[in-house]
Amino acid sequence: GAGVSQSPRYKVAKRGQDVALRCDPISGHVSLFWYQQALGQGPEFLTYFQNEAQLDKSGLPSDRFFAERPEGSVSTLKIQRTQQEDSAVYLCASSLCYEQYFGPGTRLTVT
Amino acid sequence: KNQVEQSPQSLIILEGKNCTLQCNYTVSPFSNLRWYKQDTGRGPVSLTIMTFSENTKSNGRYTATLDADTKQSSLHITASQLSDSASYICVVSGHPGTASKLTFGTGTRLQVTL
Repeated sequence: GAGVSQSPRYKVAKRGQDVALRCDPISGHVSLFWYQQALGQGPEFLTYFQNEAQLDKSGLPSDRFFAERPEGSVSTLKIQRTQQEDSAVYLCASSLCYEQYFGPGTRLTVT
Repeated sequence: KNQVEQSPQSLIILEGKNCTLQCNYTVSPFSNLRWYKQDTGRGPVSLTIMTFSENTKSNGRYTATLDADTKQSSLHITASQLSDSASYICVVSGHPGTASKLTFGTGTRLQVTL
């Protein structure tokens, strides 16, 4: 497809479980961003990659959150020992220049 | 802390009417301001991007304005349609150059009704 895709679209996890969220950016896009969007709020920055290099991870809320993009294309956001406050939509965006193109998000619900 | 504030939080208008959404920001330095439309269950989609030197930009029935001196922006929607029902998010980039991280407002939820 031509756009950013994310999987799974929905994930329900029991508290304490580990989860992995996948982002497939637009082919050729150098930059990739992860955002967390709580219900009724705007997205909040988590981390940013340029190719395979993670240039900014200042938005990751705790060391339970880890992101990687080993080959500069697909990225995975991993959350260890999930907590209820991790429930949110996780958005991925890829970018070539100014414009960021967002995926549909993964809705994570921690029970 | 850099902030982007939007008003109103929510708005209901009749189909065919016009409306204006407001955005105030304190992000500094300032690189560009964007308006995104986010349909329920979807990712945000860009409507307009304005840099410091631009004070208005249109995209069809959407017209955005920017006053960089007062740090205010507005998004005017003309002749609203049912498909305009969505959240409209004001986003400010505080860093020059490309692919910089963005500061998002909490959005205005617009509902267009018959």
